Amino acid sequence: EVQLVESGGGLVQPGRSLKLSCAASGFTFSNYYMAWVRQAPTKGLEWVAYISTGGGSTYYRDSVKGRFTISRDNAKSTLYLQMDSLRSEDTATYYCTTGGYYFDYWGQGVMVTVSS
Amino acid sequence: DIQMTQSPASLSASLGETVTIECRASEDIYNGLAWYQQKPGKSPQLLIYNANSLHTGVPSRFSGSGSGTQYSLKINSLQSEDVASYFCQQYYDYPWTFGGGTKLELK
Repeated sequence: EVQLVESGGGLVQPGRSLKLSCAASGFTFSNYYMAWVRQAPTKGLEWVAYISTGGGSTYYRDSVKGRFTISRDNAKSTLYLQMDSLRSEDTATYYCTTGGYYFDYWGQGVMVTVSS
Repeated sequence: DIQMTQSPASLSASLGETVTIECRASEDIYNGLAWYQQKPGKSPQLLIYNANSLHTGVPSRFSGSGSGTQYSLKINSLQSEDVASYFCQQYYDYPWTFGGGTKLELK
């Protein structure tokens, strides 16, 4: 059974940093593109970033480019999202997902709140 | 960015009814379209990809169709467990974008 478990969320002040992790199990992690998708409270879904199987290719939405970094450790079957210079508009539930185009499987999500 | 417009934003239907949700892209997305179901308090789940391919384990009462800029999700014989929000997503061009969602309730 595919399992994606996110961690690392919380309350953080604007301008500070946070690093999310996603522990994967139940599938061969190194064979899958991975992505982060977020959802602001009572809002729709927004794709954030994607990473290729080996980590050599990454893509970001414009609003997080230069502030967020997606990475992976295939030996640990873990996906990461380093979030720097956080803004109030980054407040959302962040989901770890499989897939580089459509998103086959999703974690339960982790809440990030950016507020002073 | 490609804009995805869903309609209706909400709808109410009876058990056993057939429901259709529409999704319009601002340009041709060449069937690069997925549909997701999100139940209250849960994470989204993939239903359909490539506009009309059913994801593993998804009941056959769900189906997708369309081409070009116009796509639809149909739910035959509505069940109580189908109460959820539904989102379309294009993956033809970056950034991948989602529709605003359709909230489906029971009448």
